Amino acid sequence: QLQLVQSGAEVKKPGASVRLSCKASGYRFTDYSLHWVRQAPGQRPEWMGGINADTGDTKFSQHFQGRVTFTTDTSASTADMELSSLKLEDTAVYYCARVGSWFGPFDVWGLGTVVSVS
Amino acid sequence: QSVLTQTPSASGSPGQRVTISCSGSSSNIEGNSVNWYQHLPGTAPKLLIYSSDQRPSGVYDRFSGSKSGTSASLAISGLQSEDEGDYYCATWDDSLNGWVFGGGTRLTVL
Repeated sequence: QLQLVQSGAEVKKPGASVRLSCKASGYRFTDYSLHWVRQAPGQRPEWMGGINADTGDTKFSQHFQGRVTFTTDTSASTADMELSSLKLEDTAVYYCARVGSWFGPFDVWGLGTVVSVS
Repeated sequence: QSVLTQTPSASGSPGQRVTISCSGSSSNIEGNSVNWYQHLPGTAPKLLIYSSDQRPSGVYDRFSGSKSGTSASLAISGLQSEDEGDYYCATWDDSLNGWVFGGGTRLTVL
């Protein structure tokens, strides 16, 4: 079954880091990129960046560059996103989404992980 | 800052047709494809329309998309109660060098 399963909710203090996971199944992991999109309460979705699961190439939103890291474990078909120096405004639902190419649509999404910073 | 603007809310009765618009600029919609996502309560977001007017397999033909200039639209015909939820447009922005999303339109089926 084609799906992205995300790790559980996190509660963090300002200044800490958070690492989220996204496990893919139902397709060949290295054929796609995985991107991360977050949505804060009452706000529009915000693209954070992504990683090519085959080459490890990454793209970052200017807003997050320097504070976010994307990694993959091809043996486990898992993509991780680490966000550092957390601020109160990083409280959001974080989604991973599959993309066929850098400029393709996000065609499969995870259910999201709630991150609360307080 | 380049942003995509959507009407915050839309509504219609079952069976009716509604249109949701997405307004952008020359740095995003005008030169790039637009994708539409449906986000129903308690579910993962779902790709509804890609490349401005293409439906992924499994998406009903009640959903259609179009683009003209710096604007794009999503039309939903034969409205059903299960269509209630949030709809977002998204496209690549050449100035920001990244994906941008609209503010979302909450659809209510009366």
